[in-house]
Amino acid sequence: GQQVMQIPQYQHVQEGEDFTTYCNSSTTLSNIQWYKQRPGGHPVFLIQLVKSGEVKKQKRLTFQFGEAKKNSSLHITATQTTDVGTYFCAGPSGTASKLTFGTGTRLQVTL
Amino acid sequence: NAGVTQTPKFQVLKTGQSMTLQCAQDMNHEYMSWYRQDPGMGLRLIHYSVGAGITDQGEVPNGYNVSRSTTEDFPLRLLSAAPSQTSVYFCASSKWDGSEAFFGQGTRLTVV
Repeated sequence: GQQVMQIPQYQHVQEGEDFTTYCNSSTTLSNIQWYKQRPGGHPVFLIQLVKSGEVKKQKRLTFQFGEAKKNSSLHITATQTTDVGTYFCAGPSGTASKLTFGTGTRLQVTL
Repeated sequence: NAGVTQTPKFQVLKTGQSMTLQCAQDMNHEYMSWYRQDPGMGLRLIHYSVGAGITDQGEVPNGYNVSRSTTEDFPLRLLSAAPSQTSVYFCASSKWDGSEAFFGQGTRLTVV
C-alpha cells in the first residue's frame, strides 16, 4: 500500500533558527495536505497543495509540492516557541477520502 | 460552533470489555473517519464513511466496527478490547472528497 515518510522524525532548534521537514510518498499524489498538532492536542489543517511545483506561503511558513507530485516540504523561517508541535503531511490513498498520514516531524524550539 | 465532538476524552478498559467511542459533527460534512495515533507511527486510518449508510475499512480495521446511520454521527465500537488497542483515537470530518479534515479533541484509551 501507499507509504508516506517524513524526515526528520525529530528536530530541536533554537528560537530564530530555520526548520524544514520533508515528506516523501511511494506513489504520485493528486494533492498533499499539511497539519500541525500541538502537544496534547489534535491535528489542525494548515494548507493543501494541488499543482505540480506549487509553492504557498503562510507568514513564516513555506510549503512546496514537488514537480513529480511525490514529495513535499514545509520550511519555517525564524522559528518561534509557538511553532512547537508535530507536523504531518497527508495524501489521498485511492479515494481522496482515505488520507494516508506521514509519520510526522516533531519540532522542539527553545529560547 | 462545536465542530467535531468526541466522547469520552479518557477511558480505561479491561481486556475483553467492549465500548463505543462517540463522534458527532455539526458541519453537515459527508465524509467522516476514525484514526488511531501511536507514538512514532503517525495517524493510521481505521474506518471511514463517505455518507450516511456507507462505510469502508481503512488501514487497521481489525477489532473495530463502525456504522453511519446519520450524517452527524459516526461511532466507533471496540468489540473485545485488547492491550494493543491502547492508543489515542481521533475522529475527523471533511466537507467533500479531498477537502481539509477537521479533527475532534481525541479519546485517550488505555486497555489493561
